[in-house]
Amino acid sequence: SQQGEEDPQALSIQEGENATMNCSYKTSINNLQWYRQNSGRGLVHLILIRSNEREKHSGRLRVTLDTSKKSSSLLITASRAADTASYFCATDGSDYKLSFGAGTTVTVRA
Amino acid sequence: GAGVSQSPSNKVTEKGKDVELRCDPISGHTALYWYRQRLGQGLEFLIYFQGNSAPDKSGLPSDRFSAERTGESVSTLTIQRTQQEDSAVYLCASSPRVVGSNQPQHFGDGTRLSIL
Repeated sequence: SQQGEEDPQALSIQEGENATMNCSYKTSINNLQWYRQNSGRGLVHLILIRSNEREKHSGRLRVTLDTSKKSSSLLITASRAADTASYFCATDGSDYKLSFGAGTTVTVRA
Repeated sequence: GAGVSQSPSNKVTEKGKDVELRCDPISGHTALYWYRQRLGQGLEFLIYFQGNSAPDKSGLPSDRFSAERTGESVSTLTIQRTQQEDSAVYLCASSPRVVGSNQPQHFGDGTRLSIL
């Protein structure tokens, strides 16, 4: 079953704009991860945030985690055409199994 | 190799045939996962291998699905008597195993399976 749910399902933005997507989950977690999937490819790990962290940065990516609301957000700043992809959040139900949401499809227009 | 390798990249077969999908994980990664991804959807967990421990098969959708792994190397996912609803992308991922801490998973590009 899917634990994480991303919102919105799809997002279209102009190059240079910021993109924000959200993930909500139901049960308590140890970690939450974000992945990117380009069309026809596998998933690429972007960032892992632990339950005792509130914010994490990696390059143009910023992830927040609010465990009281059981939600996370991924912000991509100054978007580029290469950021066009689907983005998934994944939560851990045990120390080895991840549950993935259905993803947010981001299209960056030139 | 540098990354997770899956073969074939594409497989088209007739309903009722058996198919075998292969995954070569990153060297040294003891954990290996199989997922199914239907068009436009998220990942559905199928099976997990960790070293020589008994695999977690809780995600396999029916007894037509089986998987094997030899030690900490290659894994094969077999689907017997394929049905049209088996059409999907099958993704393999590997990760190092650190007790008590979740690790990022490294994915192959998947096998796109089409059942006619």
